[in-house]
Amino acid sequence: EVQLVQSGAEVKKPGDSLKISCKGSGYSFTSHWIGWVRQMPGKGLEWMGIIYPRDSDIRYNPSFQGQVTISADESISTAYLQWSSLRASDSALVYCARQTQHAYDLWGRGTMVTVSS
Amino acid sequence: QSALTQPASVSGSPGQSITISCTGTSSDVWSYNHVSWYQQHPGKAPELMIFEVTKRPSGVSDRFSGSKSDNTASLTISGLQAEDEADYYCCSLARSSTYVFGPGTKVTVL
Repeated sequence: EVQLVQSGAEVKKPGDSLKISCKGSGYSFTSHWIGWVRQMPGKGLEWMGIIYPRDSDIRYNPSFQGQVTISADESISTAYLQWSSLRASDSALVYCARQTQHAYDLWGRGTMVTVSS
Repeated sequence: QSALTQPASVSGSPGQSITISCTGTSSDVWSYNHVSWYQQHPGKAPELMIFEVTKRPSGVSDRFSGSKSDNTASLTISGLQAEDEADYYCCSLARSSTYVFGPGTKVTVL
């Protein structure tokens, strides 16, 4: 089955670090960009950035540059999104999605990140 | 990174047609034919409905169609059905190979 499986929900404290994952299966993981999309509670979709797993070429939304780090391990078909120091404002549902022809045709179910003291 | 503009809400009766606009700038919608549209039902992940302005993925109803003129892209839903009630987002390729989403439009079926 072609799918993206994201890691489970996380509850963290301000200042904590976090790395969430997105594992692709059923297709050639290294042939498609993987994007990360944030959705804050009750709000719209925000494009965070993308990575091409074959060579780790990365593009960031300037609004997220320096706030998060995108990476990938092609050997295990997994992309990652990490924060070094979380803030309460980072609380959101975060999706990964496969990019095909400049569109996102396959989505994970999302990882809920909650940051609270 | 500039934001795209969408109407906050659009409504229509069953069987009617509605159109959602997505207005960008010369840095995104106007410059590229890489506009896509997503449907999101509450509590669900988004689903791709239109890519490359006018193309429909396999399995998407032909009641959904897309178009573009200058810096405005549009999604039209024909023969509106109750199941079409959802949030809809446009997305465009922008400068430096980045992408931008619109704020979303809530579609209500009256």
